[in-house]
Amino acid sequence: DAMVIQNPRYQVTQFGKPVTLSCSQTLNHNVMYWYQQKSSQAPKLLFHYYDKDFNNEADTPDNFQSRRPNTSFCFLDIRSPGLGDAAMYLCATSRVKVKEKLFFGSGTQLSVL
Amino acid sequence: AQKVTQAQTEISVVEKEDVTLDCVYETRDTTYYLFWYKQPPSGELVFLIRRNSFDEQNEISGRYSWNFQKSTSSFNFTITASQVVDSAVYFCALSEAQGNDYKLSFGAGTTVTVRA
Repeated sequence: DAMVIQNPRYQVTQFGKPVTLSCSQTLNHNVMYWYQQKSSQAPKLLFHYYDKDFNNEADTPDNFQSRRPNTSFCFLDIRSPGLGDAAMYLCATSRVKVKEKLFFGSGTQLSVL
Repeated sequence: AQKVTQAQTEISVVEKEDVTLDCVYETRDTTYYLFWYKQPPSGELVFLIRRNSFDEQNEISGRYSWNFQKSTSSFNFTITASQVVDSAVYFCALSEAQGNDYKLSFGAGTTVTVRA
């Protein structure tokens, strides 16, 4: 059974049109992460939540926002997607911070037209 | 500076061949953690192994084995008798302390293609 679920699997949006990607987990983990992965590249951390504490990476554009309304759900909002934001977006969880293994969802492949 | 270097971008082998993926890391910490993840075509990264810096014992899990050598800052991964299902991108990653937090750095990945 999937423990980290991302919806949708594929998302198409228009240039400049806000889009929200969702992630849910059944593991009751404290930490939830959002990674961006472009083709043939390593995943790049955008931000993470430790419980309700939001931690933004220094180089994450302001265009990217996140919400975590409760333990189980986390959302990635892209306010004005550009062509360069087309990528796979991966959600991950861990019980504590990253010295333990991460559990990843299957990702959402975002296309920007 | 690159924290984790995976020298091989792509490796192609024929089924039943052994394949070794190299991983070299860089850290000043004495306590750190090393990981390998597998990303099949479906996209989900799957955890394979975690090793802490104080445990240099090599590990074997079925056809997978890992060789951790602190002296050379390497954490290499070998797939023995490869199978088509092993075709995936493999990422090595390093977790090290940054203040009160831990930072995970991924290598660029090695794409393994196993041909029948």
